[in-house]
Amino acid sequence: DTGVSQDPRHKITKRGQNVTFRCDPISEHNRLYWYRQTLGQGPEFLTYFQNEAQLEKSRLLSDRFSAERPKGSFSTLEIQRTEQGDSAMYLCASSLRGGGYTDTQYFGPGTRLTVL
Amino acid sequence: KNEVEQSPQNLTAQEEEFITINCSYSVGISALHWLQQHPGGGIVSLFMLSSGKKKHGRLIATINIQEKHSSLHITASHPRDSAVYICAVRSLETSGSRLTFGEGTQLTVNP
Repeated sequence: DTGVSQDPRHKITKRGQNVTFRCDPISEHNRLYWYRQTLGQGPEFLTYFQNEAQLEKSRLLSDRFSAERPKGSFSTLEIQRTEQGDSAMYLCASSLRGGGYTDTQYFGPGTRLTVL
Repeated sequence: KNEVEQSPQNLTAQEEEFITINCSYSVGISALHWLQQHPGGGIVSLFMLSSGKKKHGRLIATINIQEKHSSLHITASHPRDSAVYICAVRSLETSGSRLTFGEGTQLTVNP
């Protein structure tokens, strides 16, 4: 257990439905990242927050995807009008941005999304 | 061509064998990570390197910044080492600390 939790762990949905995932980072961590991993591939960056500000979004994050971190603590990732291509593991990580480069990311267990 | 390439993609070894997994990258980096992913998805950070060599138990990670290459070695491998090992870099060209990942190496250690 890294201290980063994600909910739910598994989600099965029908195409066209909306889904929302939650990530709770390590409490003192000010940076939070979302990644997506498809089967047999390494994770790909989606977006990241420093405190409540969303500082960068990948081109992978289409307008159907939205992420929030309203109070600089937990974050949600919502996918609207899901498509079968959205089926993947969605990983959350957190880190503490401070002096130096130590900034190690701690990963949550992931949410596995299956779109039927 | 991916910015981070790993080899081999799959590796099967017998218990006690010495294992090497390689990672090459094409961008300037501030740090390189080796990560371990077990079935079910959980990722654990093994090492973060910006130069030289680090050792933790039976695991050794090295990096050559000039050659843009890193290796992960496992000595006296054990079946519990079976997992996917992923190399990831923090590029100087991207903001924040986001990571760019290799595709991973699936390691299976047989008893």
